[in-house]
Amino acid sequence: AQTVTQSQPEMSVQEAETVTLSCTYDTSENNYYLFWYKQPPSRQMILVIRQEAYKQQNATENRFSVNFQKAAKSFSLKISDSQLGDTAMYFCAFMKWYQGAQKLVFGQGTRLTINP
Amino acid sequence: DGGITQSPKYLFRKEGQNVTLSCEQNLNHDAMYWYRQDPGQGLRLIYYSQIVNDFQKGDIAEGYSVSREKKESFPLTVTSAQKNPTAFYLCASSMWVGDPNGELFFGEGSRLTVL
Repeated sequence: AQTVTQSQPEMSVQEAETVTLSCTYDTSENNYYLFWYKQPPSRQMILVIRQEAYKQQNATENRFSVNFQKAAKSFSLKISDSQLGDTAMYFCAFMKWYQGAQKLVFGQGTRLTINP
Repeated sequence: DGGITQSPKYLFRKEGQNVTLSCEQNLNHDAMYWYRQDPGQGLRLIYYSQIVNDFQKGDIAEGYSVSREKKESFPLTVTSAQKNPTAFYLCASSMWVGDPNGELFFGEGSRLTVL
């Protein structure tokens, strides 16, 4: 079974600091996609960043970047210059084949709090 | 504005009653999904639909039913057979199932509480 594990249930940092959220996954596939989703207190989830496994270059979106270690099956999210609006639940997700279609499997989530 | 609308936001149900959660999208997406969110467990897939009049069970389909009569709509019924229905339910859509861009668009969710 393919699983996604986020080992940090909660994290808290001061505004402007850099924070890294960890994610590991288990798969026997070679080509796949990984994602980080953000769920702020308003509850509407949005995509933060995605990574294709065949790309060696780590994805970057403004202050958000990933450290993708394919051999280690690790996919961490780094948030630089954190802002109060980054306070949210963050979910790591893996796209897998399931019954003839590809779907996302989510980790348990990390609750991130940015303190002023 | 394009997006996904879920209703109601909060719903209370007595044991033994069926309830239906509404999900409507105006994004012209083919694929729609229902996820259940419980504390500490992330999101788990209940059902998904790739096209009108077609849907498949996800990982935790027991006690739930869906329909997809229109492209825009994917209602979820929580039946009395669901042993632990109290949860937060999220509806999502994507261009198509297996879209490698992988971006799901989510609604704001519905919180169901069984009294």
